[in-house]
Formats: sequence, C-alpha cells, structure tokens
Amino acid sequence: KAGVTQTPRYLIKTRGQQVTLSCSPISGHRSVSWYQQTPGQGLQFLFEYFSETQRNKGNFPGRFSGRQFSNSRSEMNVSTLELGDSALYLCASASGGGRAGEQYFGPGTRLTVT
Amino acid sequence: DAKTTQPPSMDCAEGRAANLPCNHSTISGNEYVYWYRQIHSQGPQYIIHGLKNNETNEMASLIITEDRKSSTLILPHATLRDTAVYYCIVRVDYNNDMRFGAGTRLTVKP
Repeated sequence: KAGVTQTPRYLIKTRGQQVTLSCSPISGHRSVSWYQQTPGQGLQFLFEYFSETQRNKGNFPGRFSGRQFSNSRSEMNVSTLELGDSALYLCASASGGGRAGEQYFGPGTRLTVT
Repeated sequence: DAKTTQPPSMDCAEGRAANLPCNHSTISGNEYVYWYRQIHSQGPQYIIHGLKNNETNEMASLIITEDRKSSTLILPHATLRDTAVYYCIVRVDYNNDMRFGAGTRLTVKP
C-alpha cells in the first residue's frame, strides 16, 4: 500500500499571500488530520476531516481552513500568510470511524514565509 | 485528552534496552496510551498503543501500570536508527485529535 503523500514538499511564500497544501491519504482511509510543527510550539493539531466533514478542530485562527473531497484527499489553505506561519505542515490518515487506531503521517510540507 | 509528562532527553547504549517513561496521572478510563516517534525532518511514526494490558509488537513493548497512571515504552535492543523524539499521547478511541507534548529525545550511542 502506498503511504500518505503530501504536495508540495517545499514552498516559499511572501507575507499576505495564500497557500494551498494537498494530502492524499492511504487508500481506504477516510480520516485526514492536519498538524503544524514549529520549533517553538511543537506539533499542534489543526483539524480533522472524516467523510468530507470537519470532525475536530484545534485552536487556530480562521485563516487556516481545510476541506476533504469524496476520494478522501484533503487540502489545507492558509490565507493572508504571516511570518509565524512558517512551519512543517503534516497530514495524517487513519481508517477513522469509532475504533482506536493508529495515524499514519506523511513526510510534510515545509512552508517558509518571507 | 489527558496531559502527559515525559523526560526531555535520555541516552541509551546501542544494543541495550531503552526504557522511556511517561506519566499520565489524569488519564480517563476510555483513554488509550499511544506512542509515536519522529526521526529528524520526517513525519511521526506510530509505534504501539494500549488501553490497560501490556502490549508487544515487532518494534517495541508497552508496559502500563495497573492504575494506568504511567507507562513505559521499551525498545528491547536499541540501534542508532532509533535515535528520535518519542511522544507519549493519551486519547479517546474515537478522537483523532492528538495532542503532542514535547516528547523525549532519545539518543542511542555506539
């Protein structure tokens, strides 16, 4: 089975721009979660999508949004970029549903805002 | 989700067992203990999880105390490739919102 893929792997943007990141989960997985990782704050949960619906949300401003498509692929959008948005953005897929299970992480997209 | 406490760093000699502790004194009855690790610049990797019984897989063993207030991840024969940050997380089974702490930076030395 192919793992979780994220595109692009690296991205450089300037303040005020917007960016869209993409995540393709493991085949058959219906849950996609997004995380932001910075040296100062560590790994922080952004949101989770399951069957095209946002199921959980972390404490991030409304500039951070996401969506999930019918094939479970997910996109994350950040509008009006700030320097502090520079981070590694990770997505993780899981089978979802109501059972305990592990999440599988992608390699991440490293976003640099200048 | 319950908060966890881990030592910030640990060293281990190559070939020896690495025992990584985690305190989760406020864990609820329906919360599982999960362990992940992150090797530099890669996404976190799932290791093992458990509810109250000890668990073992090809990567590690998980020992959970009877009162479930703490656990220990055991890597039986650590190798240099096990050098990573190890995260202990507790969460309910239906919630994929995982709250990572600072983790333990394990350094395996030759």
